[in-house]
Amino acid sequence: AQSVSQHNHHVILSEAASLELGCNYSYGGTVNLFWYVQYPGQHLQLLLKYFSGDPLVKGIKGFEAEFIKSKFSFNLRKPSVQWSDTAEYFCAVNWATDSWGKLQFGAGTQVVVTP
Amino acid sequence: GAGVSQSPRYKVAKRGQDVALRCDPISGHVSLFWYQQALGQGPEFLTYFQNEAQLDKSGLPSDRFFAERPEGSVSTLKIQRTQQEDSAVYLCASSTQGEDEKLFFGSGTQLSVL
Repeated sequence: AQSVSQHNHHVILSEAASLELGCNYSYGGTVNLFWYVQYPGQHLQLLLKYFSGDPLVKGIKGFEAEFIKSKFSFNLRKPSVQWSDTAEYFCAVNWATDSWGKLQFGAGTQVVVTP
Repeated sequence: GAGVSQSPRYKVAKRGQDVALRCDPISGHVSLFWYQQALGQGPEFLTYFQNEAQLDKSGLPSDRFFAERPEGSVSTLKIQRTQQEDSAVYLCASSTQGEDEKLFFGSGTQLSVL
């Protein structure tokens, strides 16, 4: 069965530290890849997406992600986090064989940034 | 409205009770999706509408779950004879038509079945 794995459930780091969240998906052909974020008390919102082209994609708030096809990975990075980056982060995959908005989400990573 | 609106925000139901959850998408959005998010998990796809047509219902967990969008705008997710395992946050998302359009999520309805 197709699956999406996020490597860490909880991450705690200090302001100005670098952040990298891992995401791997099972083999299943052509995929569209997403990172969503949910800030405390808010709804899910899109951070960035990859459909095709340059495997290094830039999103909002200084986030970027790199698609490595050979590793079935789509890791999220931010060079220097801020306290306001405290949130839950979800990786999501849309397989090309599925309806375009049918996303399979990972379990999420709770990120806490301490002052 | 400014965003996707869901009601009620919280719903407590006794086991065996029927519930109806409402989603008001962003005006003009053609596509509408329902997701179920259990505690500590990521959202799981339930069903997808394009206008009033339900194009994909492969994620509905049982025949107790039913969704409709009769006029291509507001959608209702109905759960009959609720069970404890139905306790979750139910998320609605909408989008304009197009494969490169992003989903706009609502804040969800938190359903607790006692």
